[in-house]
Amino acid sequence: RKEVEQDPGPFNVPEGATVAFNCTYSNSASQSFFWYRQDCRKEPKLLMSVYSSGNEDGRFTAQLNRASQYISLLIRDSKLSDSATYLCVVNIGGTNAGKSTFGDGTTLTVKP
Amino acid sequence: ETGVTQTPRHLVMGMTNKKSLKCEQHLGHNAMYWYKQSAKKPLELMFVYSLEERVENNSVPSRFSPECPNSSHLFLHLHTLQPEDSALYLCASSQDGQGAREKLFFGSGTQLSVL
Repeated sequence: RKEVEQDPGPFNVPEGATVAFNCTYSNSASQSFFWYRQDCRKEPKLLMSVYSSGNEDGRFTAQLNRASQYISLLIRDSKLSDSATYLCVVNIGGTNAGKSTFGDGTTLTVKP
Repeated sequence: ETGVTQTPRHLVMGMTNKKSLKCEQHLGHNAMYWYKQSAKKPLELMFVYSLEERVENNSVPSRFSPECPNSSHLFLHLHTLQPEDSALYLCASSQDGQGAREKLFFGSGTQLSVL
């Protein structure tokens, strides 16, 4: 089983749609969770950190469910510019604080 | 605008060549990383440096040799690579590499092709 698993996608949605991605992690000792965005042929960029019970930033909402070991990313009112690959990242901290584990990514295409 | 710069952006090399990738961060961070991203695969951590000391070497073949002369610069020296080493190599930095909530800032990457 992979340490971090994401919905494989791709997700193709019309502008204005609401879309949600899920990510599960296998290590119950995981401490920190992040969503990164990666545009085609570019570097990943931090989209959101996910702490405790989750957080919201504009159209983006991230949720954490420690009991079920998953995090989610909800995008409301999708824009064309939201088209990208979304990477789920988990860090277990401690002596492995430098080791962030990345999921395979979920590709989103928003169409007019 | 990214505070982490990588050069070159693209590199084509033969299996007998020796080349180096360079990374520089302008964020005042103390930790730097090399990641490899192959097609259809997740990012793979290769090396971590914290305060210029290597704290992680993730079972990377010896044909990849990192160097961190100071907290702002990181190199990846390449020699006798194989075609399967062709990938996007990403440099990243973070505050100090010691906390679980470390946020990674990536450079734009070097697209490497080994012929």
